[in-house]
Amino acid sequence: DGGITQSPKYLFRKEGQNVTLSCEQNLNHDAMYWYRQDPGQGLRLIYYSQIVNDFQKGDIAEGYSVSREKKESFPLTVTSAQKNPTAFYLCASSPGAIAKNIQYFGAGTRLSVL
Amino acid sequence: AQSVTQPDIHITVSEGASLELRCNYSYGATPYLFWYVQSPGQGLQLLLKYFSGDTLVQGIKGFEAEFKRSQSSFNLRKPSVHWSDAAEYFCAVVPMFSGGYNKLIFGAGTRLAVHP
Repeated sequence: DGGITQSPKYLFRKEGQNVTLSCEQNLNHDAMYWYRQDPGQGLRLIYYSQIVNDFQKGDIAEGYSVSREKKESFPLTVTSAQKNPTAFYLCASSPGAIAKNIQYFGAGTRLSVL
Repeated sequence: AQSVTQPDIHITVSEGASLELRCNYSYGATPYLFWYVQSPGQGLQLLLKYFSGDTLVQGIKGFEAEFKRSQSSFNLRKPSVHWSDAAEYFCAVVPMFSGGYNKLIFGAGTRLAVHP
C-alpha cells in the first residue's frame, strides 16, 4: 500500500527537550510538507521541501527544524525554542510542487508538553 | 488581506438532510480550490478540487461543490447526509501566484455533527 506514515501517533515533550517527528512516504513524491494544526485555526505551513537536500521555511518555522536527506523521508524536529509546541502535526506530500499537484496527508502526530 | 473564510465553525444536521458548507476566498485572481475532510484524530482526505472549466465539480462520498466567481465562493454540498459524514471540513486554496510552489492556504474549518 502506498501512503504517508507518521510516527509516533502520540508524543510527549519535557521542558527544554528537542523531539523529532517522523514522516515517511512511499509514493515517490518529490515534494513534502509539514503543517501544524491548532483548534479553530486550520492548518499552517511550517516547512516544505520541493526536492531532496532542499527545504524552505513556511509561515511558522520558528522553533522547528527539518532535513531532507532522502526522497522518502522528511523528519521534523521541535526544538526547545518552540515555546508552545502542543498541537497536531500533519505531514503531506505531492508529486511535485507546482500549483496543480494534490497534497496527500498522513494520519498525524499529536504532541503534548509534560 | 488574502484569506480563506469558512463562516460556520459548527453545523449540526439531521441524518438524511441536505448540507451546504460555505467557503469564501479573497484573492485577486481565482485560485485553485479544494475541499478536504478530516475525521477525528486523522489526516486530511481530498473530497474534490476545482482548477478551471465546469463550475460544478463532483467529488467522492457524494459531495459536490460549486464555484461562483462573482461571489468568490466555493461551497460544498451534499443532498443527503449520512452519520458517517460527521467530521471537520476544510476549504483550501492555492493562490495563482504562490511563489512557485503549491502553497495550500486553509480555512479554519467547519465541524459537522449529524443527528440520527
